[in-house]
Amino acid sequence: QKEVEQNSGPLSVPEGAIASLNCTYSDRGSQSFFWYRQYSGKSPELIMFIYSNGDKEDGRFTAQLNKASQYVSLLIRDSQPSDSATYLCAVIPGGDRGSTLGRLYFGRGTQLTVWP
Amino acid sequence: EAQVTQNPRYLITVTGKKLTVTCSQNMNHEYMSWYRQDPGLGLRQIYYSMNVEVTDKGDVPEGYKVSRKEKRNFPLILESPSPNQTSLYFCASRPGWASGKRETQYFGPGTRLLVL
Repeated sequence: QKEVEQNSGPLSVPEGAIASLNCTYSDRGSQSFFWYRQYSGKSPELIMFIYSNGDKEDGRFTAQLNKASQYVSLLIRDSQPSDSATYLCAVIPGGDRGSTLGRLYFGRGTQLTVWP
Repeated sequence: EAQVTQNPRYLITVTGKKLTVTCSQNMNHEYMSWYRQDPGLGLRQIYYSMNVEVTDKGDVPEGYKVSRKEKRNFPLILESPSPNQTSLYFCASRPGWASGKRETQYFGPGTRLLVL
């Protein structure tokens, strides 16, 4: 069983602050990493993906990957009330591409509340 | 419009009565998956398909069947539903590795199932 663990939360930050969401994974061979946002009652939507060690920035979002430590994080700068949602970390495991590319392991999610 | 559709969106049934949840995508995606989402457990993959006639088990396949006879459709079949299959179900699709957009997974709107 490949495990993906997220800080359980809930996380509450004031508007304008930086929200930091963390995720660790058990499979050292994992190859692709994703952050999804899910509003209550809605389906998940992809907000960031990262494949290589280091930082990847997209607007107010920064994903950070450290394969040696097996963690991936998401920073949300200038948090807005509209960012209030559950954030899901997801990982494609290592192994033969033909058999693993269809797999996607999700963490249990971290609920973020941004208060005005 | 690129989309994944699921039907029905809501379903109440009784133990043992066979049911099918349909999933269809209009993006010519190779990969399709079914997930269930339960409080405190996050999203768990039930089955996935890498192309027509190619399917494989995810983490929680017991009690479910799938088929992929056409590229666009991936129905989920519960032959004899039980109360522990009460859940929120999501279908998802994404392109193959060669497309260069393998990270772009689209989720359907979800199907809420209650088994009495």
